[in-house]
Amino acid sequence: AQSVTQLGSHVSVSEGALVLLRCNYSSSVPPYLFWYVQYPNQGLQLLLKYTSAATLVKGINGFEAEFKKSETSFHLTKPSAHMRDAAEYFCASGAGSYQLTFGKGTKLSVIP
Amino acid sequence: DSGVTQTPKHLITATGQRVTLRCSPRSGDLSVYWYQQSLDQGLQFLIQYYNGEERAKGNILERFSAQQFPDLHSELNLSSLELGDSALYFCASSVAGQSGNTIYFGEGSWLTVV
Repeated sequence: AQSVTQLGSHVSVSEGALVLLRCNYSSSVPPYLFWYVQYPNQGLQLLLKYTSAATLVKGINGFEAEFKKSETSFHLTKPSAHMRDAAEYFCASGAGSYQLTFGKGTKLSVIP
Repeated sequence: DSGVTQTPKHLITATGQRVTLRCSPRSGDLSVYWYQQSLDQGLQFLIQYYNGEERAKGNILERFSAQQFPDLHSELNLSSLELGDSALYFCASSVAGQSGNTIYFGEGSWLTVV
């Protein structure tokens, strides 16, 4: 069975600082990995998706994630945080199954 | 806007009652998924349909049922509601429902059971 672990349920960064949200996956088959963002009182919006075409995946709003097989990680980064990035971020795996398995989410706060 | 439409957006109902949540997938998507989001359980997969047929089942209670109609819209029926069923219910859709397909989520239906 696949699982997704997000380290840190809450991350705070200053505006303009680097954003790093951690995600580790476990899968016995090559994974499909996703990052979604949920703004307050809204649905889940796809940020980016890894499908083995390239290990560095660029997404919307300046986010990117790097797939590292040796570390079973798919961390999400953004060089410079904006206030509008404050939201909850979910890592998900679609390996070997039709549906997604989600991590528990990381709430990002951006301090002015 | 993901293109997935869910109604109602908010619903308040009493324990023991039954409600129906409705979902229209993105145009062209054949597969529909239902997820439940709660504070204690996080995002939990409930059930998936593909072109009218049930494809996968997750942590869906026996009191809950779903179906996908010929026009591809889907309904999630929740019966004998309990306080613990209060949650945000998401519908999502994808083109073919295969592993690796991008899944697009609706805005969700907030259910409060009082």
